[in-house]
Amino acid sequence: SQWGEENLQALSIQEGEDVTMNCSYKTYTTVVHWYRQDSGRGPALIILIRSNEREKRSGRLRATLDTSSQSSSLSITAAQCEDTAVYFCATDENNNAGAKLTFGGGTRLTVRP
Amino acid sequence: EAGVTQSPRYAVLQEGQAVSFWCDPISGHDTLYWYQQPRDQGPQLLVYFRDEAVIDNSQLPSDRFSAVRPKGTNSTLKIQSAKQGDTATYLCASSSRYEQYFGPGTRLTVL
Repeated sequence: SQWGEENLQALSIQEGEDVTMNCSYKTYTTVVHWYRQDSGRGPALIILIRSNEREKRSGRLRATLDTSSQSSSLSITAAQCEDTAVYFCATDENNNAGAKLTFGGGTRLTVRP
Repeated sequence: EAGVTQSPRYAVLQEGQAVSFWCDPISGHDTLYWYQQPRDQGPQLLVYFRDEAVIDNSQLPSDRFSAVRPKGTNSTLKIQSAKQGDTATYLCASSSRYEQYFGPGTRLTVL
């Protein structure tokens, strides 16, 4: 779980394996963003799940959101070497002026060939 | 469509020196964010603007940091009298709705 952790957690898996990264958040949110950050680049949104969705899929990615336990997860099916990156969840203090994100500490995923 | 651009990409300073970071958001995006990302941590919001107005600067160390977006387009983040603890990557992002688009960041090292 990456929420509440200030520093990166690390996961290393073999290509072809499935992996799940967890995120627990403390404050109420209507949406959880999952971002991916490649080395030397800024984060990029990969999947966004709202409070009225329990599950969201995008290709090999699957996000879940459980508002009762204030937790979210991101799963990657059949991981590939190009999935190697840092993954962050972020909660959204949405207000009239736009999304205000609070990021978790992140998970550094390494997929070995 | 061009993404968010930032300059410089790298900066190395001695403690006490000043530095400015520049951000050009995606055209048409009304909201602009500045984040600080220490090594091996998640981005932490410093300040954000809607058009030229500051919406939230509560996490900006106001004694040494300042940020402006005078015409509601480009933005500058400035650090006066940098400290070693300011060593981090400074990210700019822009959005028009829920999704934030990030630039590549400026990696700052304060010696």
